[in-house]
Amino acid sequence: KAGVTQTPRYLIKTRGQQVTLSCSPISGHRSVSWYQQTPGQGLQFLFEYFSETQRNKGNFPGRFSGRQFSNSRSEMNVSTLELGDSALYLCASSFDLEKLFFGSGTQLSVL
Amino acid sequence: GENVEQHPSTLSVQEGDSAVIKCTYSDSASNYFPWYKQELGKRPQLIIDIRSNVGEKKDQRIAVTLNKTAKHFSLHITETQPEDSAVYFCAANTGGFKTIFGAGTRLFVKA
Repeated sequence: KAGVTQTPRYLIKTRGQQVTLSCSPISGHRSVSWYQQTPGQGLQFLFEYFSETQRNKGNFPGRFSGRQFSNSRSEMNVSTLELGDSALYLCASSFDLEKLFFGSGTQLSVL
Repeated sequence: GENVEQHPSTLSVQEGDSAVIKCTYSDSASNYFPWYKQELGKRPQLIIDIRSNVGEKKDQRIAVTLNKTAKHFSLHITETQPEDSAVYFCAANTGGFKTIFGAGTRLFVKA
């Protein structure tokens, strides 16, 4: 079974731009969660989607949004990028809503 | 809101010694407690988990303990080896669509 796939692997953007990240979960997994990872801050929960519906959301501004498609693939969008948005963005899929299987992440640099 | 505190942030041990990482959670509804290991440049991977109806679980050299009353849970690694060097994250899940992570512990095992 293929693992969780995230694209692109690296992104460089400038302040004010917007960005879209993609995540393809493991086949059969209907839950996709997104996390922001920065040094010293651990994994900060962004949001979780299950069957195309956002079920839970973390404490991030409205510039961060996401969606999930009928095939469980998910996208995350960040608008009006700020320098502080530079981070590794990880998505994770789950079959049982407990065990998380992570992708390799998208490293976003905002200049 | 939900919070998971993790200590220490950095831990250095000699090969063969034991390592202990401690976490505290705030949401008494939490009922599933996974631990993830993230090697340098790699994705986080689940290494062991424990449920709220169990006090201790062991898997070869690693073990987790849970004290529900105190809202504490710990990871114990015995006979540490250089390949145990990584960042370890504890997490808590309330059974909903949200897993909250601690800030991580960077473990160094010196040969």
